[in-house]
Amino acid sequence: DVKVTQSSRYLVKRTGEKVFLECVQDMDHENMFWYRQDPGLGLRLIYFSYDVKMKEKGDIPEGYSVSREKKERFSLILESASTNQTSMYLCASMRAGGTYNEQFFGPGTRLTVL
Amino acid sequence: GENVEQHPSTLSVQEGDSAVIKCTYSDSASNYFPWYKQELGKGPQLIIDIRSNVGEKKDQRIAVTLNKTAKHFSLHITETQPEDSAVYFCAASIGGTSYGKLTFGQGTILTVHP
Repeated sequence: DVKVTQSSRYLVKRTGEKVFLECVQDMDHENMFWYRQDPGLGLRLIYFSYDVKMKEKGDIPEGYSVSREKKERFSLILESASTNQTSMYLCASMRAGGTYNEQFFGPGTRLTVL
Repeated sequence: GENVEQHPSTLSVQEGDSAVIKCTYSDSASNYFPWYKQELGKGPQLIIDIRSNVGEKKDQRIAVTLNKTAKHFSLHITETQPEDSAVYFCAASIGGTSYGKLTFGQGTILTVHP
């Protein structure tokens, strides 16, 4: 089974702090995604990566950056956390080679910014 | 870009009843429509999907229908059980060079009462 793990289930940070959210997948998937989940808004794509060191902006990239130095690891970075970034963050991975491949999600990190 | 609208936002049914969740999409180029189920404390998991060359697909108690002309698709769950209680997300994807990017609906909280 595919396993996607996220470094923390819960995280509390202060405004202005630099925050790192880590995601690791064990199935050698090429594509990885970061979403944020907010009630009533569904899942919104922040960034995705289709290869090591490659990244593409999603629908809401402002205030975020990403890093993919190794195939299995995709990091989301909040350069200067703000209260409006309080949310659930979900990482997903997917095998490349077709639109119809399943995305496998991690359990999520609930981030609170005070 | 693609926009996916999902209704209702909450749905409450008695065990054994049927549940229907509806989604509309805006981009006629979308050709892949997965449904994800998110149980409490977990990431979303794919439960069924449909491609644009198919009008209906069934898997035991769940089915999905697609009307390309009207640009809407629906999830049908029959003989609901308490373990069907979860948040359900529809999504749409444009094939080809999208790297599997999904646009999600807002989510439906389904509660099945015993």
